[in-house]
Amino acid sequence: LAKTTQPISMDSYEGQEVNITCSHNNIATNDYITWYQQFPSQGPRFIIQGYKTKVTNEVASLFIPADRKSSTLSLPRVSLSDTAVYYCLVGDDARGSARQLTFGSGTQLTVLP
Amino acid sequence: EAGVTQFPSHSVIEKGQTVTLRCDPISGHDNLYWYRRVMGKEIKFLLHFVKESKQDESGMPNNRFLAERTGGTYSTLKVQPAELEDSGVYFCASLDRMNTEAFFGQGTRLTVV
Repeated sequence: LAKTTQPISMDSYEGQEVNITCSHNNIATNDYITWYQQFPSQGPRFIIQGYKTKVTNEVASLFIPADRKSSTLSLPRVSLSDTAVYYCLVGDDARGSARQLTFGSGTQLTVLP
Repeated sequence: EAGVTQFPSHSVIEKGQTVTLRCDPISGHDNLYWYRRVMGKEIKFLLHFVKESKQDESGMPNNRFLAERTGGTYSTLKVQPAELEDSGVYFCASLDRMNTEAFFGQGTRLTVV
């Protein structure tokens, strides 16, 4: 399973765009990149998943360069309620797979007023 | 549709006692997982059920932990006897029918004193 490296913490202000980058230098060909969000006293919640290029949904965008050795989660116009821990996961747990998830240390995002 | 529910939300027990955690997955989800995060550590996989069968229990720390999923519906995780290092938050997750997204419960915070 590919190891991931993320910043431990980030601060932002309301209304700003936040970009969290994750490094995964030894990502394998079959690996997908998945991001989860976790609020205090709650379990992780799926945000977005991608394999290459760009993926966008109603919550976030995921940018993956051609070499796939990193990825960037982009949160547009954050609000105070986006304060959470964001996990980058890399593995062959693509949609259709039921493999276990491997969490790293995550990035604590704090949105300030 | 109800989400993944876990009971209790908190449990404080003395070393040597027994505790049983329960997880009710989303109805119809065949895949059920247990994870835990001990203080200061990352979320770690414990085991994976497919219906009532244990698919992968490679993450179970030792034989003091026993997981069951009789009938393929809810699951229990029993710790007997509990030790101080078992303290942490235990999460349960289930996977939807298309295996596209893991849904987590809110977790059970276990404190062994």
